[in-house]
Amino acid sequence: QKEVEQNSGPLSVPEGAIASLNCTYSDRGSQSFFWYRQYSGKSPELIMSIYSNGDKEDGRFTAQLNKASQYVSLLIRDSQPSDSATYLCAVTGSGNTGKLIFGQGTTLQVKP
Amino acid sequence: NAGVTQTPKFQVLKTGQSMTLQCAQDMNHNSMYWYRQDPGMGLRLIYYSASEGTTDKGEVPNGYNVSRLNKREFSLRLESAAPSQTSVYFCASRRPGTYSNQPQHFGDGTRLSIL
Repeated sequence: QKEVEQNSGPLSVPEGAIASLNCTYSDRGSQSFFWYRQYSGKSPELIMSIYSNGDKEDGRFTAQLNKASQYVSLLIRDSQPSDSATYLCAVTGSGNTGKLIFGQGTTLQVKP
Repeated sequence: NAGVTQTPKFQVLKTGQSMTLQCAQDMNHNSMYWYRQDPGMGLRLIYYSASEGTTDKGEVPNGYNVSRLNKREFSLRLESAAPSQTSVYFCASRRPGTYSNQPQHFGDGTRLSIL
């Protein structure tokens, strides 16, 4: 069973701090990695994608990928109360079906 | 700019009833997916359709059937609903891409309760 693991949290950070969310995956053949944000009662919304080892930055968000260690992380700089949500890590398996395997999500709470 | 549209948004069924959840996308995407999400859990794949005319089982297909009606529409059917199928159901679509690098885009979900 291919798995994606996240700490369910909640992860609590003060406003303005850096929030660090982590994800590990078991399938070494995985090629694409996504972070989705999900507000309570809403659908998942794509915030970052990453395909190559290293860092990818988009505004206050930075995704980091280390395929050798099989982990993906998401950093949120200058965290805002509006960032409070559940963050889902999703990983594709081998092949090109586009199927995603999701972690259980990490709940982030940003306190004013 | 509708994206992925799911109907209905809410539904309450009795055990044993049947129901079809509808999903349509207007982004000309090839692939479509059905997930369920239970409290405290991530999304689990029920069925998917990599392209028009094909469907395949995901992680949790038992108790469900699907139909890829055309390129736009992908429906999920519960033939005999059970309380264990109470969940939030999400439909997603994705355009073709090299090495699965295209993300999936989600509809707003259907909240289904089975009594």
